[in-house]
Amino acid sequence: EADIYQTPRYLVIGTGKKITLECSQTMGHDKMYWYQQDPGMELHLIHYSYGVNSTEKGDLSSESTVSRIRTEHFPLTLESARPSHTSQYLCASSEKTGIPSEAFFGQGTRLTVV
Amino acid sequence: DQQVKQNSPSLSVQEGRISILNCDYTNSMFDYFLWYKKYPAEGPTFLISISSIKDKNEDGRFTVFLNKSAKHLSLHIVPSQPGDSAVYFCAANFQGGSEKLVFGKGTKLTVNP
Repeated sequence: EADIYQTPRYLVIGTGKKITLECSQTMGHDKMYWYQQDPGMELHLIHYSYGVNSTEKGDLSSESTVSRIRTEHFPLTLESARPSHTSQYLCASSEKTGIPSEAFFGQGTRLTVV
Repeated sequence: DQQVKQNSPSLSVQEGRISILNCDYTNSMFDYFLWYKKYPAEGPTFLISISSIKDKNEDGRFTVFLNKSAKHLSLHIVPSQPGDSAVYFCAANFQGGSEKLVFGKGTKLTVNP
């Protein structure tokens, strides 16, 4: 069983608020990712990190930002939430083995901006 | 431009029968393919993977087949069980790339008792 946790599971927040979605993993994985998924659609990579102090933008443009100060922690921040940010946000991690490997996902955060 | 395509949004099968979920890809550089299972309001769970050097990988009731020439893979579940009802995502990546997973849109499998 994967040890990767996301909080909160559900969040309803007003437009203009600043929010931070938390993601932590206890597997010591170097690689971490944030995906965004709308119902019936594919998962889109919005951010990834290969280790501490490493962050990159993903394939889908996002107004969110991330940080990687500690190996186990990869929070995502929205400075000013808008209804267009309503979506499910999924955090994942994988080992830095040099070969492709499976990613382990957290349970996700369902964000609704009203 | 979708690089990983799952053209069937849904599939319904009877318990005990075979479920076959299909996936096509366009990027010939992909060399590692994965299947994930996702329940509503949960994160995806890794199911099975296959490297491009193989054409088949089996794990219990789950078998993935890869046809590189057709850029096609499929997931077979035999026998199907009601607990298999979920959305199944096909994903791909490649060594030497950023190792980011590219996902399809998923196929919702319903196994009827």
